[in-house]
Amino acid sequence: GIQVEQSPPDLILQEGANSTLRCNFSDSVNNLQWFHQNPWGQLINLFYIPSGTKQNGRLSATTVATERYSLLYISSSQTTDSGVYFCAVLTTDSWGKFQFGAGTQVVVTP
Amino acid sequence: GAVVSQHPSRVICKSGTSVKIECRSLDFQATTMFWYRQFPKQSLMLMATSNEGSKATYEQGVEKDKFLINHASLTLSTLTVTSAHPEDSSFYICSARRGGTYEQYFGPGTRLTVT
Repeated sequence: GIQVEQSPPDLILQEGANSTLRCNFSDSVNNLQWFHQNPWGQLINLFYIPSGTKQNGRLSATTVATERYSLLYISSSQTTDSGVYFCAVLTTDSWGKFQFGAGTQVVVTP
Repeated sequence: GAVVSQHPSRVICKSGTSVKIECRSLDFQATTMFWYRQFPKQSLMLMATSNEGSKATYEQGVEKDKFLINHASLTLSTLTVTSAHPEDSSFYICSARRGGTYEQYFGPGTRLTVT
C-alpha cells in the first residue's frame, strides 16, 4: 500500500514564528487532506488539496502531485496552533480509505 | 457545514460489558463512514468501513465479532465494543464521507476507558 511520511516528527516554535511541515507519499493520490488534531482530540479539516495551492488565513498548503509531496505552511504561529498535524491520502485503489501519516507534533510557546 | 457528531464523548465501563458509540453526520448524507482507533501519541488506525445498508468491512486484525458496526441510515453509524477489556481502552474516532466526493469529515472522538 501507499506510504505516507511526515516530517519533522516534532516542532517547537516561538509565537510569531513561521514553519513548514512536509508530507511525502509513495504513489499517485486522488485526495490529500491536512488535519489539525487539537489537544482534546478533535480532528479539524484544514485543507482538501490533491494538487495546487490553497490559503486560509495564516495557513497555506501546496501539493505537487507529480513529485508526490505536500507542504503545510504556518505563518505568524500562535499558541492555539499547538497540536498534531496529520496528512492523509486516498488512492484510486484504496476504496475511500485514508492512509494517515504519523503526524507532526507542534508546540507553540508564548 | 459538514459537521459530524459522536456520542458519548467519554465513557468508562467495567470489563466484560458492552459499549455503543454513535456517529452522526448532521448536515449531509454519508453513504460511507469509517471507524478509527487512536492510541496515545500514535496516528489514527482504520478499523472498519461502514456502508449504509450493507455489512461493514474490517481491516486485517480487527475482530468483527468484538467491534460490531451498524450503518442503519445515511446519517448514522454505530460501533459497539462487546465484552470490553482494558486493552480496548482507546480513543475512537469516526469519519463520514460526503456523498459524491472524496472529502471526509471527522467526529470529535470518544474516549473509552475499560476498568
